Amino acid sequence: DAGVIQSPRHEVTEMGQEVTLRCKPISGHDYLFWYRQTMMRGLELLIYFNNNVPIDDSGMPEDRFSAKMPNASFSTLKIQPSEPRDSAVYFCASSLAQWRRSAFFGQGTRLTVV
Amino acid sequence: GENVEQHPSTLSVQEGDSAVIKCTYSDSASNYFPWYKQELGKRPQLIIDIRSNVGEKKDQRIAVTLNKTAKHFSLHITETQPEDSAVYFCAADRFMKTSYDKVIFGPGTSLSVIP
Repeated sequence: DAGVIQSPRHEVTEMGQEVTLRCKPISGHDYLFWYRQTMMRGLELLIYFNNNVPIDDSGMPEDRFSAKMPNASFSTLKIQPSEPRDSAVYFCASSLAQWRRSAFFGQGTRLTVV
Repeated sequence: GENVEQHPSTLSVQEGDSAVIKCTYSDSASNYFPWYKQELGKRPQLIIDIRSNVGEKKDQRIAVTLNKTAKHFSLHITETQPEDSAVYFCAADRFMKTSYDKVIFGPGTSLSVIP
C-alpha cells in the first residue's frame, strides 16, 4: 500500500482564490482526518470522517473551510476564498478503528496564500 | 477546554545520553496517548502509544510511562542517536472501540542529539 496520498504537495495561490486539497486514504481505513500545522498553533485537527460521514467539524476555523468525502477512497478540503493566514501545512491522515491505532499521516500539502 | 502541555519545548542531549519529554493533560476521560516523531519537512509518524489501562510500554530504545492519577505521561529515549533528532508530539485522545473523540496535541518538543 502506498500509504495516505495527498495532492498537491505544494500550492501557492493568491488571496481570494479557491483552493482544493485532495486526499486518498489507505485502502480499507474507515477514519479520515484533516489536520493543519502552523508554527503558531501547532497541529490542529480540523475535521474527521467515519465511513465517509463527517463526525466532528468543530475544528474547522471558518465557513470558508469545507470538507467532503464522496467515497471511501477520496476526500477534499476546500478553502474559498483563501487568505494569507490560511498558509500552513495541511495533513490528511487515516486509520482503522479496529486496529486501535492512531492515524497514519500523508505527506502533507504546503499551502502558501500570497 | 481540554489541553495538553508538553515540556521542554527544546531539548539538546549528547549522543548516547537519554532524553525525557513530559506531557500533562486536562481531560480525565482521555484514554489513549500516542507519541509522534516529525522530522524536518516530513509527516508526523507514530512511534509509540499507550492506553490508560497500562502504566508503561517499551519498544527497543523508546518507552512511555503513564500516571493517570496525576494526568501526565512521558516519553523516554535511551542511547540517543543523531537520527533521533526531530520534533516529538504527544497527544491525548478519548478512544472508544468504535469511535474517536477529538484528539488534542501537545505543542511539540524539538530534540537535538549532538554527535
